[in-house]
Amino acid sequence: DTGVSQNPRHKITKRGQNVTFRCDPISEHNRLYWYRQTLGQGPEFLTYFQNEAQLEKSRLLSDRFSAERPKGSFSTLEIQRTEQGDSAMYLCASSLGQTGELFFGEGSRLTVL
Amino acid sequence: DAKTTQPPSMDCAEGRAANLPCNHSTISGNEYVYWYRQIHSQGPQYIIHGLKNNETNEMASLIITEDRKSSTLILPHATLRDTAVYYCIVRVASGWNAGNMLTFGGGTRLMVKP
Repeated sequence: DTGVSQNPRHKITKRGQNVTFRCDPISEHNRLYWYRQTLGQGPEFLTYFQNEAQLEKSRLLSDRFSAERPKGSFSTLEIQRTEQGDSAMYLCASSLGQTGELFFGEGSRLTVL
Repeated sequence: DAKTTQPPSMDCAEGRAANLPCNHSTISGNEYVYWYRQIHSQGPQYIIHGLKNNETNEMASLIITEDRKSSTLILPHATLRDTAVYYCIVRVASGWNAGNMLTFGGGTRLMVKP
């Protein structure tokens, strides 16, 4: 399968713990996006990378959130000191260039107890 | 990017055409209309996009009004597998001022019924 891959698919953690999600984009795609989706809502933009450079961050991305794409390939999204409000589906997408045709992974569902 | 308005839900009979409307009355001349759908427990999937001409691909047709203030996504023969949330998004497509992300609204929940 050459689509966008996200791991883990599900994560249950206790409040205050740190969690990290990984996204492997489609190999030739230079742009990588992170979105968050809560139940019944559309996905909300968090941040995006062009190659290894993080070019834009949403106000939703508090200082507890950090995203990296060290070699311009895979990306990680870390949430420190998780809160119950962080419970959501975290979606990763990739694209080639500035196109609006994004390819999404199946998401990583976070549950904070 | 301009905002869009969609009905929260629609039903469609299996085998019939599903016509999903979208209002984007504040769209700018260089903004494209994109449609995505999200099947339950999956990530969003790109369907189609257009600027002002009608577009068709293997998944759907996109009809954009002449004044570009609204559009309709048409699934010609809806199946049960088309049950999903459909998102209409307006975005500058490419170039130096291209939008850097897609802004999703609430979408339309389409239920295809047998």
